[in-house]
Amino acid sequence: DVKVTQSSRYLVKRTGEKVFLECVQDMDHENMFWYRQDPGLGLRLIYFSYDVKMKEKGDIPEGYSVSREKKERFSLILESASTNQTSMYLCASSLPRGQGLLYGYTFGSGTRLTVV
Amino acid sequence: QQQVKQSPQSLIVQKGGISIINCAYENTAFDYFPWYQQFPGKGPALLIAIRPDVSEKKEGRFTISFNKSAKQFSLHIMDSQPGDSATYFCAAGDVRGADGLTFGKGTHLIIQP
Repeated sequence: DVKVTQSSRYLVKRTGEKVFLECVQDMDHENMFWYRQDPGLGLRLIYFSYDVKMKEKGDIPEGYSVSREKKERFSLILESASTNQTSMYLCASSLPRGQGLLYGYTFGSGTRLTVV
Repeated sequence: QQQVKQSPQSLIVQKGGISIINCAYENTAFDYFPWYQQFPGKGPALLIAIRPDVSEKKEGRFTISFNKSAKQFSLHIMDSQPGDSATYFCAAGDVRGADGLTFGKGTHLIIQP
């Protein structure tokens, strides 16, 4: 069963901490994405990557960075966590450009991050 | 930011009824319109998707209707069942995969037995 795995289901961090959220996919997908999900706001794109060591800003990149050193792994980094970053974070992967989105995204189950 | 506007925010339907969720988009460059279904504790999963070269696509009890001139599309769930209770997201994007998908804010659907 192919899947996207997010390393933590729940995380509680303190304001100002540096936080790493890890995502691994086993489908050999080129594209990987980080979204945050908030009630009433839907899913908002933070960053995405089309290839190893490549990254693109999404709609809400402020306060976040990403790392993609290996094809299967895409990390989201909160440089200095703040309470307004309390949210559900969803990682997704998809087939590459050209094949595009016809097979959709595969999402992980999410990491619920609370910053106190 | 290109928006996708989704309504209603929540919806209660009796078992056996028709559930209808609507979305509108702004960017005329979008050419791929999927719907995702999310159950509690799970990530969203692709339910059904449509390209703008057709006005309707049906898969089982789920149908997407697409109106290109109005820049609107909708999800119809026929014979709604309690197992359909979930949050539904519409989305829009470039089928080539550029720039990711833009999602609506979601509809919390409850099917009452």
